[in-house]
Amino acid sequence: DQQVKQNSPSLSVQEGRISILNCDYTNSMFDYFLWYKKYPAEGPTFLISISSIKDKNEDGRFTVFLNKSAKHLSLHIVPSQPGDSAVYFCAASAYNNNDMRFGAGTRLTVKP
Amino acid sequence: NAGVMQNPRHLVRRRGQEARLRCSPMKGHSHVYWYRQLPEEGLKFMVYLQKENIIDESGMPKERFSAEFPKEGPSILRIQQVVRGDSAAYFCASSRNKGENEKLFFGSGTQLSVL
Repeated sequence: DQQVKQNSPSLSVQEGRISILNCDYTNSMFDYFLWYKKYPAEGPTFLISISSIKDKNEDGRFTVFLNKSAKHLSLHIVPSQPGDSAVYFCAASAYNNNDMRFGAGTRLTVKP
Repeated sequence: NAGVMQNPRHLVRRRGQEARLRCSPMKGHSHVYWYRQLPEEGLKFMVYLQKENIIDESGMPKERFSAEFPKEGPSILRIQQVVRGDSAAYFCASSRNKGENEKLFFGSGTQLSVL
């Protein structure tokens, strides 16, 4: 029962280019979506979020887009930097649920 | 600026032994969540606790696993009679409230290895 899916296990981009990470969900009750970044041997750290009442949220180099009709969200990083290399998890929650659902993660590698 | 503290970072157990994983939430946070990450998989919800109460344990295996969050002290995830399949990274997260648009803050995790 995987309600949040990240279909690309890995992504490699050149420094300075755009990174686009994708996430799909199946539960229409989700109303809050987050991206977490994880370095090896560390816990996930919050990166950016978006409420279902919005379709875009921007924070510096990071922008999250939400397409509710397609049940799809994406994270854009531009320009990409080598320090962005990490595993990125998409997560979703519903107000009336206790658990936040996570995707399997996408490993981003930014090459100098 | 103490974040979510988990210990130990690494725990090695032999099959049949007990594993105890500890989690101290961020200061001011009274909601604790435990997640498990198996290799090449995402984070799977296990249990959600508030002080002295288990709110939701729908992700916990029915046997051998238990969790508590006492009035004083850290939250404990206990795994009895560990098996090799329990080997995973266990992450604890905390939040200030349980409400709309609440994000979780994660600890560095405990890597459990069962020999």
